[in-house]
Amino acid sequence: EVQLVETGGGLVQPGRSLKLSCVASGFTFNNYWMSWTRQAPGKGLEWVASITNSGGSTYYPDSVKGRFTISRDNAQNTLYLQMNSLRSEDTATYYCTRDTYGFDYWGQGVMVTVSS
Amino acid sequence: DIQMTQSPSSMSVSLGDTVTITCRASQDVGIYVNWFQQKPGKSPRRMIYRATNLADGVPSRFSGSRSGSDYSLTISSLESEDVADYHCLQYDEYPYTFGAGTKLELK
Repeated sequence: EVQLVETGGGLVQPGRSLKLSCVASGFTFNNYWMSWTRQAPGKGLEWVASITNSGGSTYYPDSVKGRFTISRDNAQNTLYLQMNSLRSEDTATYYCTRDTYGFDYWGQGVMVTVSS
Repeated sequence: DIQMTQSPSSMSVSLGDTVTITCRASQDVGIYVNWFQQKPGKSPRRMIYRATNLADGVPSRFSGSRSGSDYSLTISSLESEDVADYHCLQYDEYPYTFGAGTKLELK
């Protein structure tokens, strides 16, 4: 059974940093591209970052480019999202997703609140 | 960026209805459109991939179609468990973009 379990969320002040983790199980992690997607409270879904199976290439929308970094440790079956210079508009539930034909599996999500 | 214009934003429905939700892509995205169902407090669930393919375990009353740049999700004979939010996604090119979502509510 495919499982994606995110951790690392919480309350953080504007301008500070936070790192999310996602532990994957139930599939061969290093065979799959992975992504992060977020959802602000009461809002729609927004793609945040993607990474190739080897970790050699990464992709971001302009809204987070230069502030967020996606990475992975294939030996530990773990995906990361380093979030720097956080803003109030980054407040959202962050989902780890397996990227096969467009996000076939999703984690349960982790809440990030950016507020002073 | 590719815009996915989703309509309607909300719909009042009755059990047994046939429901159709549409996303219009601002440029060609080919078959690379998915549909997701999301219930309150839950993660999205992929229902349709590559515009017309039913994801594993999804009931056959769900179907996806494409007409040019218009992509539709149809639910036949709506059941109570289908009342949820629905989102479309284009993944033809980065940045991947979602529609704004459609909320189904029971009359």
